[in-house]
Amino acid sequence: GESVGLHLPTLSVQEGDNSIINCAYSNSASDYFIWYKQESGKGPQFIIDIRSNMDKRQGQRVTVLLNKTVKHLSLQIAATQPGDSAVYFCAENIEGTYKYIFGTGTRLKVLA
Amino acid sequence: EPEVTQTPSHQVTQMGQEVILRCVPISNHLYFYWYRQILGQKVEFLVSFYNNEISEKSEIFDDQFSVERPDGSNFTLKIRSTKLEDSAMYFCASSEGVQWGAAGELFFGEGSRLTVL
Repeated sequence: GESVGLHLPTLSVQEGDNSIINCAYSNSASDYFIWYKQESGKGPQFIIDIRSNMDKRQGQRVTVLLNKTVKHLSLQIAATQPGDSAVYFCAENIEGTYKYIFGTGTRLKVLA
Repeated sequence: EPEVTQTPSHQVTQMGQEVILRCVPISNHLYFYWYRQILGQKVEFLVSFYNNEISEKSEIFDDQFSVERPDGSNFTLKIRSTKLEDSAMYFCASSEGVQWGAAGELFFGEGSRLTVL
């Protein structure tokens, strides 16, 4: 598959540990955010979303935190597994538009 | 589970040739998108399409690009005269749309890799 993100920041974690991936978004008018996972050679896959009227949302093994004051989003993955190895992107939707702006991405490597 | 499908998975073309990338969005979705990802870079918005017209487009989406929904199921991206810098992975996406304004969760296809020689 293609090698995505040759110059991406990389987070390496031990299997079973928790992972925290951070994202700074750009526009204070953004009101909806999504975290995507992209495996090599594949399209982005939805993980979890959050609206701007919330500051935390939990899914299965994943939690998204939103800090609108500093325009910061984080994705927490509990008990990281080898299958979690991928590039993770945050995407913001600017209120009133259909456009999603993607962040630069973080490569997560899970060490056995 | 319904999914967005794209064809071809990989296309190699000569510079200056026309290319059409095809997508079948999820059937009950109303909003359609094209994004691209140059190798090693982030996913970039190209265009959004709703109610049979372009809703928004980026500065990348110049006169060489066009989109069409020729029938009830397909959504196409045409590049009229390809350039070397058009080489990228092109992703189609669709979403249901939600009442409060944002287009909701995007579902992406697996992508079409375009290589321009």
